[in-house]
Amino acid sequence: EAQVTQNPRYLITVTGKKLTVTCSQNMNHEYMSWYRQDPGLGLRQIYYSMNVEVTDKGDVPEGYKVSRKEKRNFPLILESPSPNQTSLYFCASSWEGGLGAGELFFGEGSRLTVL
Amino acid sequence: GQQVMQIPQYQHVQEGEDFTTYCNSSTTLSNIQWYKQRPGGHPVFLIQLVKSGEVKKQKRLTFQFGEAKKNSSLHITATQTTDVGTYFCGAGSYQLTFGKGTKLSVIP
Repeated sequence: EAQVTQNPRYLITVTGKKLTVTCSQNMNHEYMSWYRQDPGLGLRQIYYSMNVEVTDKGDVPEGYKVSRKEKRNFPLILESPSPNQTSLYFCASSWEGGLGAGELFFGEGSRLTVL
Repeated sequence: GQQVMQIPQYQHVQEGEDFTTYCNSSTTLSNIQWYKQRPGGHPVFLIQLVKSGEVKKQKRLTFQFGEAKKNSSLHITATQTTDVGTYFCGAGSYQLTFGKGTKLSVIP
């Protein structure tokens, strides 16, 4: 089954404790991206990757890191989480970005709470 | 990324009534996509529009892309309770920007 898998789905952590949210897709997609969703603010892009070893900032990259060492995986790293990073996070992938970007497939989301 | 404004933020309709949500941009958009997110769920792709003036239909849903490629709309005819959720528009290429969404409630 074609899917984007995120882990963990739910996490409560404390300020400053490094954490990683994993994202994996089984569709051989080149493009992957991370979003956070907050009430009243909608979906905002954190980082995106056009292919292996190619990443770039989205609209809200501060406090986050990403890496793309393999095509299927795109982990989101919070080196020193803070309460303002409490949010619902979505990973998404598609065949490509660019003009006429294809359908984005979203993971089921990871709800993160930072105390 | 490109900026898109989406209105209204909320819409409550009686089952059977029509519903429309609008997305507007101050700049010309290369494409626009529409997604639906059910309560507690993740966004699911509905459609992509690329051409100026394009109109596409999916059963009771009609999608339009403006002639100037600066606005788009999603219209649902005769809403049903299964239409409940938040509808988002998204624009851009690698750096995607989404509207804040329109949350649709359908009263049976």
